[in-house]
Amino acid sequence: AQSVTQLGSHVSVSEGALVLLRCNYSSSVPPYLFWYVQYPNQGLQLLLKYTSAATLVKGINGFEAEFKKSETSFHLTKPSAHMSDAAEYFCAVKSPQRDMRFGAGTRLTVKP
Amino acid sequence: GAGVSQTPSNKVTEKGKYVELRCDPISGHTALYWYRQSLGQGPEFLIYFQGTGAADDSGLPNDRFFAVRPEGSVSTLKIQRTERGDSAVYLCASSLTLAGRETQYFGPGTRLLVL
Repeated sequence: AQSVTQLGSHVSVSEGALVLLRCNYSSSVPPYLFWYVQYPNQGLQLLLKYTSAATLVKGINGFEAEFKKSETSFHLTKPSAHMSDAAEYFCAVKSPQRDMRFGAGTRLTVKP
Repeated sequence: GAGVSQTPSNKVTEKGKYVELRCDPISGHTALYWYRQSLGQGPEFLIYFQGTGAADDSGLPNDRFFAVRPEGSVSTLKIQRTERGDSAVYLCASSLTLAGRETQYFGPGTRLLVL
């Protein structure tokens, strides 16, 4: 079985501060891992994905995530938060020929 | 190019009624997925198709839910005898193939409200 746990349903940072959104996964086979962002009243947009190549994955809008097998983690980071980063972020895990499982999401608030 | 589209964007119905939700995937994408997202939750898998056939429908909550993709493109999610608990945003996604590494592209969703 595969699952994802996102620690912290709400994260608040100041503009210009580091963003760290946590994701831990469980999978019986090597997983593919994804981060999606959802802006209000919009569909999910892919930020980045890990597909067993480089463990440090760079995505859009300055986000990156590092796959750490020993910690079963795939945390999302951005060095400097921008007001436009305020949104809901979802981590997801997928094994080959299986469905994608999403975490419950983390709502990021950016304070001016 | 055009992304995944879903119609209607909003649907209000009464308990016990039948509803159909439509998904138009990205042209050429063979895999199509349906998810349900309740308030404050992440998307929950319902069913996915490879071509015309349902490759995995294990996420459908009960036999009131059914989905088809007769020509391997457009898909319709059908809900019979709707209940208030069916109220949610129903998301559709498509990907080029079913391969795990493929990106799923999501539509904007259909917001279903059952009164």
